[in-house]
Amino acid sequence: GAGVSQSPSNKVTEKGKDVELRCDPISGHTALYWYRQSLGQGLEFLIYFQGNSAPDKSGLPSDRFSAERTGGSVSTLTIQRTQQEDSAVYLCASSLLGGGTSYEQYFGPGTRLTVT
Amino acid sequence: KQEVTQIPAALSVPEGENLVLNCSFTDSAIYNLQWFRQDPGKGLTSLLLIQSSQREQTSGRLNASLDKSSGRSTLYIAASQPGDSATYLCAVNSGTYKYIFGTGTRLKVLA
Repeated sequence: GAGVSQSPSNKVTEKGKDVELRCDPISGHTALYWYRQSLGQGLEFLIYFQGNSAPDKSGLPSDRFSAERTGGSVSTLTIQRTQQEDSAVYLCASSLLGGGTSYEQYFGPGTRLTVT
Repeated sequence: KQEVTQIPAALSVPEGENLVLNCSFTDSAIYNLQWFRQDPGKGLTSLLLIQSSQREQTSGRLNASLDKSSGRSTLYIAASQPGDSATYLCAVNSGTYKYIFGTGTRLKVLA
């Protein structure tokens, strides 16, 4: 595929369960971003990867949130012991470079997470 | 700390009207600014990216301007169409990897 893909598109989980969200960036894009969009809110930056490294994890809301990226490609965002306030749309974006020229970000369609 | 504001929060216009969406940012030391549209239940689609050295960018009926000194960007949509109905977001990059987003303007173009 030519664009950023995310899976699943929708996830309903019970409070306390763990969930994994997946992002496949555009091939060749070295930078990858995770954002969260809660109902009626703007996009909240969560974490950024340059290659497989995450220079800044300060946007992660709590230690229940973690993310990794392997092979400079696929990334997974894991939320442990989900809470109702975790319900949101989780968006992934990638860009060719993470700190220099155009940095145009390309977004995936998002994963809508609902914690019941 | 960079803060991004978009006004108005919502806008409803008749088809064919020209319109302007506003984006303000508090720290003028930006690297670039990007405008996106978001359709309900969908991800973000990039519309225009303006580098800090540029004053404007154009794509079809869209024109985005940037005035760093006043901390403002505008998105001009000419001859609006019902298909333009969406939420429009601006995002500011201050030279790092981090983009700060505004909360968006919900546009509805009436047929």
